[in-house]
Amino acid sequence: RKEVEQDPGPFNVPEGATVAFNCTYSNSASQSFFWYRQDCRKEPKLLMSVYSSGNEDGRFTAQLNRASQYISLLIRDSKLSDSATYLCVVNYGFIGANNLFFGTGTRLTVIP
Amino acid sequence: NAGVTQTPKFQVLKTGQSMTLQCAQDMNHNSMYWYRQDPGMGLRLIYYSASEGTTDKGEVPNGYNVSRLNKREFSLRLESAAPSQTSVYFCASSESVMPQETQYFGPGTRLLVL
Repeated sequence: RKEVEQDPGPFNVPEGATVAFNCTYSNSASQSFFWYRQDCRKEPKLLMSVYSSGNEDGRFTAQLNRASQYISLLIRDSKLSDSATYLCVVNYGFIGANNLFFGTGTRLTVIP
Repeated sequence: NAGVTQTPKFQVLKTGQSMTLQCAQDMNHNSMYWYRQDPGMGLRLIYYSASEGTTDKGEVPNGYNVSRLNKREFSLRLESAAPSQTSVYFCASSESVMPQETQYFGPGTRLLVL
């Protein structure tokens, strides 16, 4: 079983739509959670960290469900510029780089 | 402030050739990392350096060596390239290896081994 699993998509949505992605993780000891964005043929960049209470940054909302071991990303009022691959990243919480796991990504295309 | 830079951007090698991928960061970060990204797989850690003077293996270290030259620079060497090492290589840095730290990535090196 993969440490972090995501639906690869693609998700094709019209401009202005709301879209949500889920990501499941296998280790219940996981402590830190992130969403990264990766544009085509570019490097990953941090979109937002995910906190236990959930957090919002403009049109983006991240939620954590520890009981079911998943995190979600909600994008409201989708823009063409939101087209990218969204990577779910989970850290087991112990100090050390070997505890960070990346999902394969969910590809989003926003259509005019 | 360039962040994380990598050279070269693209490289084609023949099986058995060697090469070194260079990475530098100007954010005064203590920790640096090398990842590879392959289709259908998440980024996988090759090696990392928690701080200047230390290096440790990641998930997929076989066939690679690293050098933390100083606080700014972290290089990845392929001694005898194999087709299985065809991939996109990303260098990253962070303040430390604490779990909540954000990693900042370089633009990547696309490597093709024939």
